Amino acid sequence: EAAVTQSPRSKVAVTGGKVTLSCHQTNNHDYMYWYRQDTGHGLRLIHYSYVADSTEKGDIPDGYKASRPSQENFSLILELASLSQTAVYFCASSDRGDTQYFGPGTRLLVL
Amino acid sequence: GDQVEQSPSALSLHEGTGSALRCNFTTTMRAVQWFQQNSRGSLINLFYLASGTKENGRLKSTFNSKESYSTLHIRDAQLEDSGTYFCAAEAGNNRIFFGDGTQLVVKP
Repeated sequence: EAAVTQSPRSKVAVTGGKVTLSCHQTNNHDYMYWYRQDTGHGLRLIHYSYVADSTEKGDIPDGYKASRPSQENFSLILELASLSQTAVYFCASSDRGDTQYFGPGTRLLVL
Repeated sequence: GDQVEQSPSALSLHEGTGSALRCNFTTTMRAVQWFQQNSRGSLINLFYLASGTKENGRLKSTFNSKESYSTLHIRDAQLEDSGTYFCAAEAGNNRIFFGDGTQLVVKP
């Protein structure tokens, strides 16, 4: 079974602070994704990457940066966290045109 | 989401019965994936389809790209099937769009 891990699993941040969410996959997948999920809604794509050292904007990239330093690792960075960024964040990996495997999620609360 | 319309938004079933969930797409999609999100929030893969029909136990899913829809059929529902079911559609430009989910409650 594919393995995608996320850290931290939960975090409380202050408004204006910097937050880094990390994702690690051991699937040897080229594609990695960051999504956010707000209560009662589906997931929305923030950033994705299909190769190391390259990232692409998803549907809601504003206020977020991404970094893919290696095939296995993909980070999501909130340079200036805001209240509206309180959500659950999911990382996923996949081969192109194949099943996405999701991590367990990170609960972020911005105060 | 705008590109994916998922219905119903909520569904209640008695154990042993069945029903169908549906996703309609406003643009041509090349694949669809179905997930169950359980009470702990974990996303569990159910199906990935680029076309046709797949079946796994009490679940069956169909993807019709030409008519822009996908369905997930649940039969003989069990209590552990409760959760939120999402479809996620993959567009040709590698973008992925989620529906807003169907909250399923299975009652004894």
